[in-house]
Amino acid sequence: GDSVTQMEGPVTLSEEAFLTINCTYTATGYPSLFWYVQYPGEGLQLLLKATKADDKGSNKGFEATYRKETTSFHLEKGSVQVSDSAVYFCALRKQTGANNLFFGTGTRLTVIP
Amino acid sequence: EPEVTQTPSHQVTQMGQEVILRCVPISNHLYFYWYRQILGQKVEFLVSFYNNEISEKSEIFDDQFSVERPDGSNFTLKIRSTKLEDSAMYFCASTQEPGTNQPQHFGDGTRLSIL
Repeated sequence: GDSVTQMEGPVTLSEEAFLTINCTYTATGYPSLFWYVQYPGEGLQLLLKATKADDKGSNKGFEATYRKETTSFHLEKGSVQVSDSAVYFCALRKQTGANNLFFGTGTRLTVIP
Repeated sequence: EPEVTQTPSHQVTQMGQEVILRCVPISNHLYFYWYRQILGQKVEFLVSFYNNEISEKSEIFDDQFSVERPDGSNFTLKIRSTKLEDSAMYFCASTQEPGTNQPQHFGDGTRLSIL
């Protein structure tokens, strides 16, 4: 069935370091792909999305490219800040049928000054 | 920016008791969801609701669970007789309309602890 596999955490980086959080998926056709972020004490917020192959989603310096050939949607940021400390969730929505999201387990990122 | 609000933020209940988790979706949204996350596990879909009826539900959403939109603003999840394994964070989400390009807006969640 449809699923998302996400890099296990936690991840600890120094400020201004490069971030990659890996995400791969299993689904038929062309699902829509999302990254959500959960800051401490808050709900899930949409960070970025891509709805077709080779699309690049970007927001707040984060980027992820929809790679059909490797079924991946890795999250990257060139220079992280302390304020980026949060839990990051990769998710997919099927191309057809139900509209619910399938989530990965989440990756906790801590950025230290 | 409009938000999805959930109450309470934390609910502690004895096993076997009924609980009702409340959500107020964004006012012009029509499609509502409940998800849950057991500690250390994935966020899992429970149920979606549209036009006053359940659209989709997962295997988790058994007869112990029910959803309701009792008025024009609230969307509730009821667990009839709670079990220890129901302890989790429960998230409500809403979207303006169904469709792959519509982002789901989430609330801050209710942490449910069953004793």
